[in-house]
Amino acid sequence: EAGVAQSPRYKIIEKRQSVAFWCNPISGHATLYWYQQILGQGPKLLIQFQNNGVVDDSQLPKDRFSAERLKGVDSTLKIQPAKLEDSAVYLCASSFGSGSYEQYFGPGTRLTVT
Amino acid sequence: GESVGLHLPTLSVQEGDNSIINCAYSNSASDYFIWYKQESGKGPQFIIDIRSNMDKRQGQRVTVLLNKTVKHLSLQIAATQPGDSAVYFCAENIFTGNQFYFGTGTSLTVIP
Repeated sequence: EAGVAQSPRYKIIEKRQSVAFWCNPISGHATLYWYQQILGQGPKLLIQFQNNGVVDDSQLPKDRFSAERLKGVDSTLKIQPAKLEDSAVYLCASSFGSGSYEQYFGPGTRLTVT
Repeated sequence: GESVGLHLPTLSVQEGDNSIINCAYSNSASDYFIWYKQESGKGPQFIIDIRSNMDKRQGQRVTVLLNKTVKHLSLQIAATQPGDSAVYFCAENIFTGNQFYFGTGTSLTVIP
């Protein structure tokens, strides 16, 4: 079974530029998560989708971050414009359902904002 | 907000010894807990989970203990191997929401 795929693996941009990350979850998983993991910290949930609908985006900085999962499969997370403090690893995870279901994580995208 | 914290940020153990990683949580409403292992450059990997109606759960070489009275969770790794070197996170799920809250993590180093 293929795992969660993410691209790119690494990205370096200057502040105020835009960037987009892509995630392909495990086939059949209805729930998709985007996490931000700052160096030395645990992952922090940014947004959770159930199929193509948003379940929780309470911690998403909506003035600069946006995410979509239009067809209920792949998802894109965008930052526009980026700030220095956005430097982090962005992890995508998927699960069969929401709540108490095991989440499978992708390898993450390491973003460096200079 | 909710707080999931770890007592020790780093832990070094000799190969073959047992490891114990601790985690404190603050929300008594949490009803589901997961331990994750994260190796350098990879996403977190599920190790073992436990629900709040249990005190102990065992897997292959790992045991999770839950003490709801003091809101404490621990992960025990038996016969620790070099491949166990990683950062370990506990995460809690609160019944009324869908979010998992992750702790800061403990870095485990296994000395050959």
